Amino acid sequence: DTAVSQTPKYLVTQMGNDKSIKCEQNLGHDTMYWYKQDSKKFLKIMFSYNNKELIINETVPNRFSPKSPDKAHLNLHINSLELGDSAVYFCASSHYTLNNSPLHFGNGTRLTVT
Amino acid sequence: AQKITQTQPGMFVQEKEAVTLDCTYDTSDQSYGLFWYKQPSSGEMIFLIYQGSYDEQNATEGRYSLNFQKARKSANLVISASQLGDSAMYFCALPNRDDKIIFGKGTRLHILP
Repeated sequence: DTAVSQTPKYLVTQMGNDKSIKCEQNLGHDTMYWYKQDSKKFLKIMFSYNNKELIINETVPNRFSPKSPDKAHLNLHINSLELGDSAVYFCASSHYTLNNSPLHFGNGTRLTVT
Repeated sequence: AQKITQTQPGMFVQEKEAVTLDCTYDTSDQSYGLFWYKQPSSGEMIFLIYQGSYDEQNATEGRYSLNFQKARKSANLVISASQLGDSAMYFCALPNRDDKIIFGKGTRLHILP
């Protein structure tokens, strides 16, 4: 009965590789997000999708490409991985209006680029 | 632009004592909400408590409560009777008009036995 699940939990890869992280939510939420948490624990939004439509696209290198096949899934594909991409990536979901609807997070994917 | 400030990078508190984690914010919106999240060492982000700007009472959830002072733009999290399992990072968060949630830098809380 996991609410927001993302896979894999750990991802270790070499520079230049391409990798994907998958996310699924069973909460019936309209909106899904990708957040990046750096080594200092700072959380920054990368993307958000509402009903498969991209609504937030922060200043993120175009090597990062989100894809939402349906409103319950939001995947993140990263091309040509760089050392600086090492971080924890969180998927999250919420109802559309954030003012009183908390984000529900997945458990995170720790990406290490060597 | 919205801004969230958590001024305490780290705190050490004796078990069973109450602890207050500070959060101040800046927003031009009249209606807004504030959230607190806990991140234990295992890494997951756990939603703790929500405060609406027009809520008449301070939010409470079990041992968590918010000391919400709208005029001062502060929304401090109070944890009563702290437990060892409360050791974690705590983040204050505020949604902005673009529906992005902005997070503070967090406070690392250590509960001492």
